[in-house]
Amino acid sequence: GAVVSQHPSRVICKSGTSVKIECRSLDFQATTMFWYRQFPKQSLMLMATSNEGSKATYEQGVEKDKFLINHASLTLSTLTVTSAHPEDSSFYICSASAGPKGGYTFGSGTRLTVV
Amino acid sequence: DQQVKQNSPSLSVQEGRISILNCDYTNSMFDYFLWYKKYPAEGPTFLISISSIKDKNEDGRFTVFLNKSAKHLSLHIVPSQPGDSAVYFCAATWGGGYNKLIFGAGTRLAVHP
Repeated sequence: GAVVSQHPSRVICKSGTSVKIECRSLDFQATTMFWYRQFPKQSLMLMATSNEGSKATYEQGVEKDKFLINHASLTLSTLTVTSAHPEDSSFYICSASAGPKGGYTFGSGTRLTVV
Repeated sequence: DQQVKQNSPSLSVQEGRISILNCDYTNSMFDYFLWYKKYPAEGPTFLISISSIKDKNEDGRFTVFLNKSAKHLSLHIVPSQPGDSAVYFCAATWGGGYNKLIFGAGTRLAVHP
């Protein structure tokens, strides 16, 4: 089946620094990847949709200059949290679509803690 | 504006019995629905899906029912096992697999012996 690898699984960073999270589709090409954020005991909130070779589409209320998304190839999308602050601490999850019959496969998530 | 709603935050079921998780949606554009299982600090795991052209889809112990007129779907797990204890998310989308998923708030299922 389709596999999505997400790294790192957890990261602790200092306030003001930037953190990059990688999302790779291992055995399929993903023209579209999605980035979600989950706060404790809440639902998965879509942050942005990433299309290979083009700019990401951000959901309302998500700062595109703060959450930089790059989808440079059909198997890799990255999310960079710039100038991180404690309120950015959350669980970030990526997902890749393998097309109409491939479904949506999720990465294992990244726990970001900003201190 | 919640387009996908899971109104029961939690459900407790005895092992061997049926678990029924419910989901309602408001957007008539949705034509594809999915259920995911999630453990803390892990990504969601796909369970089962259903297209709007069907009203039932079955896969082993999992069955999803779709009532389009009521904009309601449900996930049945029979028989329930302790390993099924997790948070279950209902999700909806449209357009055949390239559009974003809209998630419900989730239902925490506890299956006790």
